[in-house]
Amino acid sequence: EVQLVESGGGLVQPGGSLRLSCAASGFTFSSYWMHWVRQAPGKGLVWVSRINSDGSSTSYADSVKGRFTISRDNAKNTLYLQMNSLRAEDTAVYYCARAPPTDYWYFDLWGRGTLVTVSS
Amino acid sequence: SYVLTQPPSVSVAPGKTARITCGGNNIGSKSVHWYQQKPGQAPVLVIYYDSDRPSGIPERFSGSNSGNTATLTISRVEAGDEADYYCQVWDSSSDHVFGTGTKVTVL
Repeated sequence: EVQLVESGGGLVQPGGSLRLSCAASGFTFSSYWMHWVRQAPGKGLVWVSRINSDGSSTSYADSVKGRFTISRDNAKNTLYLQMNSLRAEDTAVYYCARAPPTDYWYFDLWGRGTLVTVSS
Repeated sequence: SYVLTQPPSVSVAPGKTARITCGGNNIGSKSVHWYQQKPGQAPVLVIYYDSDRPSGIPERFSGSNSGNTATLTISRVEAGDEADYYCQVWDSSSDHVFGTGTKVTVL
């Protein structure tokens, strides 16, 4: 089955760190650009970060630049998001999403998300 | 930064047509993609490149884009179409941008 499964969310104090994982299955993970998108409780979707298929190129939203790092391990079919210096406003469900190969402009597959809560 | 504006809510009776707008500066020059998100679930792509439908999406879903407004149209609305809908574009200065979202209520 083609799917993305996120994990690693939880409760963390302000200033703390967390690493999210996204396990891919059912497709050739190494051929796809991957993204993280988040959604604060009751709010809309916000793009966070993306990485190209071989991990050589990354991009970040201004709100997380310098604090979050996206990476991938194509041998393990896994996408990561290292989140440091977390703030209350980072509280959200974090989704990993796939962009079609050679067609980077939208997301054709999403995971179910993992909840990150930043609170003391 | 590039901003996409959607109406917060749209209400429609079963069997009627729902139209959800997505406003942005010269959005007609960009490619617009639409997602459906039901409560507690992940978003699902329903329209890409303004008007293309992924496999498995009913023909009742269609899209258009011109000038400063893109539109998602849901024909013959069913109870199962009740969800939040988001438009999305790629912008060279803002990267991926989502609209503010529209809650569709089936009366």
